[in-house]
Amino acid sequence: GAVVSQHPSRVICKSGTSVKIECRSLDFQATTMFWYRQFPKQSLMLMATSNEGSKATYEQGVEKDKFLINHASLTLSTLTVTSAHPEDSSFYICSVRTPSTDTQYFGPGTRLTVL
Amino acid sequence: GESVGLHLPTLSVQEGDNSIINCAYSNSASDYFIWYKQESGKGPQFIIDIRSNMDKRQGQRVTVLLNKTVKHLSLQIAATQPGDSAVYFCAERYSGNTPLVFGKGTRLSVIA
Repeated sequence: GAVVSQHPSRVICKSGTSVKIECRSLDFQATTMFWYRQFPKQSLMLMATSNEGSKATYEQGVEKDKFLINHASLTLSTLTVTSAHPEDSSFYICSVRTPSTDTQYFGPGTRLTVL
Repeated sequence: GESVGLHLPTLSVQEGDNSIINCAYSNSASDYFIWYKQESGKGPQFIIDIRSNMDKRQGQRVTVLLNKTVKHLSLQIAATQPGDSAVYFCAERYSGNTPLVFGKGTRLSVIA
């Protein structure tokens, strides 16, 4: 399967600060990446689809100005949580889809805790 | 059982027994399905997939069954091991290039 990395794996920040999470596709070029969020004991919820070289597509209810997505290269997408608040504390997971098989592979996730 | 609020349904099985995890998917037009395993604090791990033109697919120790009539997907794990303990999610793709949509998840607990 595809190898996907995320950085950082864990971050704790103060309320009001911004946090950037990186997602890298390590073994193939990904024109499309996906960002999911997962609260404790719940399923993964799609936040947005990140498209290389163009604007991300956000799911209903996800604030695009709060969750900034940049997909500047075929191997890197970043998610920036701006002016984070405690309710943004969650597990953020990125995913890439292999072009040949349609399968989505996931990164290891980033645990964000906002104090 | 069905999940209520924040509680994941849990399946407890004895080590060595077979496990069957069920999933009801939402969209009758979905064309692709995947089962993922998620261990605590980690991202989902691909287990097996199946396309809508199939009703069964086998992997190593795992089998996925698809019943499109009742929109039901199941994952069978043979000879369940302690390392199989995790939360299992089914995911469906509505069509074409749309991203996966996840089901609620089931926690599998293997009793040694």
